Amino acid sequence: GAVVSQHPSWVICKSGTSVKIECRSLDFQATTMFWYRQFPKQSLMLMATSNEGSKATYEQGVEKDKFLINHASLTLSTLTVTSAHPEDSSFYICSAHREGETQYFGPGTRLLVL
Amino acid sequence: QKEVEQNSGPLSVPEGAIASLNCTYSDRGSQSFFWYRQYSGKSPELIMFIYSNGDKEDGRFTAQLNKASQYVSLLIRDSQPSDSATYLCAPGSGYALNFGKGTSLLVTP
Repeated sequence: GAVVSQHPSWVICKSGTSVKIECRSLDFQATTMFWYRQFPKQSLMLMATSNEGSKATYEQGVEKDKFLINHASLTLSTLTVTSAHPEDSSFYICSAHREGETQYFGPGTRLLVL
Repeated sequence: QKEVEQNSGPLSVPEGAIASLNCTYSDRGSQSFFWYRQYSGKSPELIMFIYSNGDKEDGRFTAQLNKASQYVSLLIRDSQPSDSATYLCAPGSGYALNFGKGTSLLVTP
């Protein structure tokens, strides 16, 4: 149990376009999901905490209007990178909190903005 | 600021040896402690957790917790080359986790 999926696994887009990444908890319900970003050889950086049915809580320095998060159901959270630029190229990883346990991570999405 | 300190490494150990990974944390409110392993280019995967002071063993892994010293460690016995990865320490409270920057472990054949 505790399987989290992400889609797509990688995406290449042109500068200025928007990209949506989906995070799904496949075998449990997750009231809370998290979005992280990781640049090469850097540590995991929490971007935001996503709560089902309410607005996401963003970490300091993360633009909420650029990184739109929607947590419409107990098994799905989406991250939309709006007007993506090359500096947004990164490894985006979601996690889902399983009640009584801990966070389980999705496999990640590699974004390359040209 | 909830700080989690880990030696970035790389920690190099020969195959078959014991690898010792250490972590200190600043948040005394931390109630649970997790170790994640992250292979290069992959997302983190949970390998161990510990809630109470003392040792907890799971196969080749042993987690040790000392809340008074705000210290948690992970021992890997009989290290294998496949254990080469970055190990992330993550103290937590409720659903929130504070990740350290990780220690890179290299197990040499």
